[in-house]
Amino acid sequence: EPEVTQTPSHQVTQMGQEVILRCVPISNHLYFYWYRQILGQKVEFLVSFYNNEISEKSEIFDDQFSVERPDGSNFTLKIRSTKLEDSAMYFCASGRLGANVLTFGAGSRLTVL
Amino acid sequence: DQQVKQNSPSLSVQEGRISILNCDYTNSMFDYFLWYKKYPAEGPTFLISISSIKDKNEDGRFTVFLNKSAKHLSLHIVPSQPGDSAVYFCAAARNQGGKLIFGQGTELSVKP
Repeated sequence: EPEVTQTPSHQVTQMGQEVILRCVPISNHLYFYWYRQILGQKVEFLVSFYNNEISEKSEIFDDQFSVERPDGSNFTLKIRSTKLEDSAMYFCASGRLGANVLTFGAGSRLTVL
Repeated sequence: DQQVKQNSPSLSVQEGRISILNCDYTNSMFDYFLWYKKYPAEGPTFLISISSIKDKNEDGRFTVFLNKSAKHLSLHIVPSQPGDSAVYFCAAARNQGGKLIFGQGTELSVKP
């Protein structure tokens, strides 16, 4: 069964450093998303991406965050200058045109020290 | 932003019995609802969904019920199995391709 793959599975970084989280969505999906889950809290929407541009973003997705689909297969989330409160599990998801079901990756755990 | 709420953080059920997980929402614009299951250190896995034009959808042991007037949905698992032990999230969407808004999750424990 096709799956969404995410790398790295765990990244530890110092506050203020830049982090790039990578995702390979399912190949025939056209909608791409990033969500995050802070420990013990709910899964929160960050950003959606369709047709090579951001379609929607949440209040969390401020100027420190950016997304890119550099080569038609990868979908990346960059955090320019990490803060302690960015520590969370970050999930990438993708969806087909005409469907509401999203397929999630296993997540990338980000720890900011 | 509490548009989707799961008021029970945990539920414990005996193997073979029914598990009922509940979810309430406030936004009447939602027209698609989903349940996801999540194991530790894994991403959410899609379980079952229902569109707002229906009031019930069944898939094997899993049935989702939607009560639009009460803005309430529930997931029934019958019979419950120990392998069903996980965190269950309900989620809602307003439109095709739109973001999913998740509830806080309910941790289900099915005891043998």
